[in-house]
Parts: sequence; C-alpha cells; structure tokens
Amino acid sequence: QQQVKQSPQSLIVQKGGISIINCAYENTAFDYFPWYQQFPGKGPALLIAIRPDVSEKKEGRFTISFNKSAKQFSLHIMDSQPGDSATYFCAARGGSGNTGKLIFGQGTTLQVKP
Amino acid sequence: DSGVTQTPKHLITATGQRVTLRCSPRSGDLSVYWYQQSLDQGLQFLIQYYNGEERAKGNILERFSAQQFPDLHSELNLSSLELGDSALYFCASSVAPTGNYEQYFGPGTRLTVT
Repeated sequence: QQQVKQSPQSLIVQKGGISIINCAYENTAFDYFPWYQQFPGKGPALLIAIRPDVSEKKEGRFTISFNKSAKQFSLHIMDSQPGDSATYFCAARGGSGNTGKLIFGQGTTLQVKP
Repeated sequence: DSGVTQTPKHLITATGQRVTLRCSPRSGDLSVYWYQQSLDQGLQFLIQYYNGEERAKGNILERFSAQQFPDLHSELNLSSLELGDSALYFCASSVAPTGNYEQYFGPGTRLTVT
C-alpha cells in the first residue's frame, strides 16, 4: 500500500519530442505528489508537484497529469532537450501518521538525443 | 542550490567503523528528513525530525541513529558499518511536514565502506 510504481525504467526521446513518465499508487491517503529531477552526482531537485484535487498542473515545458480515480499520475516533458537528460523520480507524500515522508518510485532514466 | 547543506561530500571508511553525517536545513525549515539512495533499493526514507523531535521512522537499521539539534541542524550516525551500507545519503528539509511545503534535498554524502 505504501508503494509507488514508476514506468518506464528508461526512456530515449529525440530532441523536440515529448517524454512521458507514469506512476501509480495504492494508498488514497497520499496528499501530495512531487516529481524530482536528478543529475549524476547531485541531489534530487524538485521539478513540479501536484495535489490530488487538481487534474493537471503545468510549469513551462513540464506538465503533471493526475487521475485520482485511477490512482495514477504522469509527467510530460514537452519539446524535450538534451539538457533534460537525467533521472526522474515520482513520489507521494502522506499515508499513515501525517509525517511528510516521501515514498519514491524507482526512477526513470531519460536520454534525449540531439 | 537548494539551500540545504550536507557534509562531508564523500566518506570512505572501513567495515565496523562509525561515521557521522551532518545536515543543515534551509533557513526557516523546521523539518529534516534523511533518505538513503542505493542502486538496488532506490530512494528510501530513513527518519524524520520536526523542530527537534523525531516524527517518523522508515526502514532505518538499529545501527543507525539520528538527532536534530536546537539550531535545527541534524546528524545521522551510522555504526558497525557493513559493505551494504555504501550508498548516497541525502538530507531534505521543509518548513513543516504537511501543507503546501515542498521538500528540498541537499547534495548528499557518498559513503563508501571498504
């Protein structure tokens, strides 16, 4: 119930294309869903986040789509650039105890080819 | 730069030893989280402190302990180290555990146990 499942594990996209990463969860008590971007040797950097009462959130080229009934959410990267090549993690916050801890998906390694 | 600082950046030590990892949260953040990142386990929540008090525990080994000091910095103590403890250890901070408060990650400490 505490798991967040992320797919695909790796993704190769041409420059200018759309990158799509999907996540699914079971625990309906999760109340906040962030996406993090991580470059090799660096810490995860917050990219964009959404709450379950919103179906879509867009920030620049990054969009989160959220489907509460299906318990799924996804990250869309429009006009993907080589600089977007990184590992992306979805996460979910909440669950029992209202602690704020994040449960992370397994990560998706994105490669954007020039 | 997230504003979260971690020291040291790299740590190489032998099995059986004890090490201390230090984290300073962003100015104004009261909540500190520790995560472990390894290739096989991904990003795993270890422990959380809020304003000096332990708030939640995740999959943290009994050989590991942490504390948050009055100035809000936190230390993660790892003892009787084993080869399998080699990983990246991240600290994150947020204003509070819940509400519209994002978690920001530090650059991490890479621990190598030989």
